[in-house]
This record gives sequence, structure tokens and C-alpha cells, in this order.
Amino acid sequence: AQSVTQLGSHVSVSEGALVLLRCNYSSSVPPYLFWYVQYPNQGLQLLLKYTTGATLVKGINGFEAEFKKSETSFHLTKPSAHMSDAAEYFCAVRTNTGTASKLTFGTGTRLQVTL
Amino acid sequence: GAVVSQHPSRVICKSGTSVKIECRSLDFQATTMFWYRQFPKQSLMLMATSNEGSKATYEQGVEKDKFLINHASLTLSTLTVTSAHPEDSSFYICSARTGGNTEAFFGQGTRLTVV
Repeated sequence: AQSVTQLGSHVSVSEGALVLLRCNYSSSVPPYLFWYVQYPNQGLQLLLKYTTGATLVKGINGFEAEFKKSETSFHLTKPSAHMSDAAEYFCAVRTNTGTASKLTFGTGTRLQVTL
Repeated sequence: GAVVSQHPSRVICKSGTSVKIECRSLDFQATTMFWYRQFPKQSLMLMATSNEGSKATYEQGVEKDKFLINHASLTLSTLTVTSAHPEDSSFYICSARTGGNTEAFFGQGTRLTVV
């Protein structure tokens, strides 16, 4: 079974500061890892994903994440926060089990960006 | 990217009535669709997985007779909340994908309020 732990339900940063949202996963098979962003009363938008290959993954809006197998982590970062980054962020894991595969989400981290 | 449209975005219904939520893949054929429920300030909880032309697979603890899912075509899945009660009030989100190892795309969600 797979699971996802997001440390910190709420993170606050100043505009222009580094954003670091933490995600650790548990999976019995090589995982596919995802970060999604959700704005109020909206669905989820994919920021980036790791499947295989390069462990540093770049996504939209300047975000990136690094898959570290030894640490079972997939932390999300952005060098400089913007006010528009304020949203809820979800890390998710999917095991590579074909048509039966499904996503397991973390509890989410609310990012607040202050002036 | 692929577009998943969910309708309605908001619905208010009286206790005891039924509500149908539609999820459409606009520019791709969705062999698999997922229905999630999200409580305020919480993560997404998978309710059921539906494959076109077959019965949905419900997660443990989800009442299949209360949450009826139909996936009659490759572009449409519906979730019907039967005999709705105030405790069914929530944010419901669907997602769709073409195959087992492809990315799933999310609808914009439906805010259900039962009064």
C-alpha cells in the first residue's frame, strides 16, 4: 500500500522568498509522484510529476521537485514566491499497476504568501 | 492539456432529493474516471473508480446505493447522490484518464449543499 505525508498543513512565506513544501511517501513498488495545486472552489491542476528518469523535475509556474529515493521524499520548491502562488498544494503517489492504479493524496499544505 | 468538465459547479438541494453531477472529458476518451470527495480544509478521498461499460469499484466505507456512478460512454460519467442529507454536503471532484499509466485530469469540482 502507498501513502503520502505532507509535513506542515500551513506554510507562510514572504513574497520573493523561497518556497519549500515537504512530501514523503511510502510505496512498495517504484512510485509515480505528483504535485497538484488547488485554488479555492476549483479542481486540481498538475504542477509536475515524476515517473522515471531524471530525478529533478521542473513544472509550471517556476516550481520544481526532486525525487530522492534514499529519503523517500519529493519536496516541492520555488526560488521566489509570488502572491499568485497562494493556494493549497497536494502531493500524491501512484503505484505503477496499470489500469488498477490510483492516486493517494497527502493531506495538503496551504501556502500563504505575504507582502 | 486535456480538459475535464464538471457540471454543475454549485448545487443546492433539499434534504431527501437526489442530485446528479456530470463529468465529461471534452477532448479525449476516458476509459477510467475517478470520483473524489473533499471536506473543508481536507484532502481528497477517493470514493470510486469507474471504467467505461462496467460497474464502478467503490472504496471501503462508500455506500454504492447512495452514490450511484454511471460510466456509460468514453466521455461521460455521472455521480448521483440519492436521498441527500446535510452530511452529504461536500466538494465533489472527478478525474479522468485514457489508460492505466497515463495522467489523470481533474474537473473543476462541484460544491453540493444539502439544506
